[in-house]
Amino acid sequence: QSVLTQPPSASGTPGQRVTISCSGSNSNIGSNSVNWYLQLPGTAPKLLIYSNNQRPSGVPDRFSGSKSGTSASLAISGLQSEDEADYYCATWDDSLTVVVFGGGTKLTVL
Amino acid sequence: QVQLGQSGAAVKEPGASVRVSCRISGYTFTNYYIHWVRQAPGQGLEWMALINPGGHTTLYTQKLQGRGTVTMDTTTSTINLDLSSLRSDDTAVYYCARESHSGTYSFDYWGQGTLVTVSS
Repeated sequence: QSVLTQPPSASGTPGQRVTISCSGSNSNIGSNSVNWYLQLPGTAPKLLIYSNNQRPSGVPDRFSGSKSGTSASLAISGLQSEDEADYYCATWDDSLTVVVFGGGTKLTVL
Repeated sequence: QVQLGQSGAAVKEPGASVRVSCRISGYTFTNYYIHWVRQAPGQGLEWMALINPGGHTTLYTQKLQGRGTVTMDTTTSTINLDLSSLRSDDTAVYYCARESHSGTYSFDYWGQGTLVTVSS
């Protein structure tokens, strides 16, 4: 079991807005900023959101992140077929002294 | 441009050791932390270790139980992950990744991954 909890799957149709949740605890999300990654099959993860809500250059503004208490969310608006991928949340855990990841959410574009 | 180039795939028997290398180019080697993350087949991401090339400090997940060591070669701008006493559950793709903003533990550049297969 992962320290951070994500739904295993999510889906939406082109143009829709979908959100992916990430639940943790006081020692991880509650105390540190959250990062989000996208991973296509057979490739390395790609940074989508850092420090809760910051987008690296080149990431479309369709992707946004937020954090409240011990939970975080990734929102994708204007869903596109190329958004179909696995999404992971991650943060530092002060108690475990490791970076912890969510189990990943497989997003399907119907 | 920033590149993290990793060594090729390896097949090892249980109990053996393996070295995975990550050669860095495109930026000043000592300015960014490097992390190691692995992914078992069909599974999620798991953080393994980090090194501060500027301060020569390292940190490991306790899950490695002392079997992992991260070293660096400043002459070749290479970071190495050595894993010993390999077990079947060490079979995974191993990634090196650069921490983009110090203290955020966010990884902006990743290596292409190295598949390590542990099998008799």
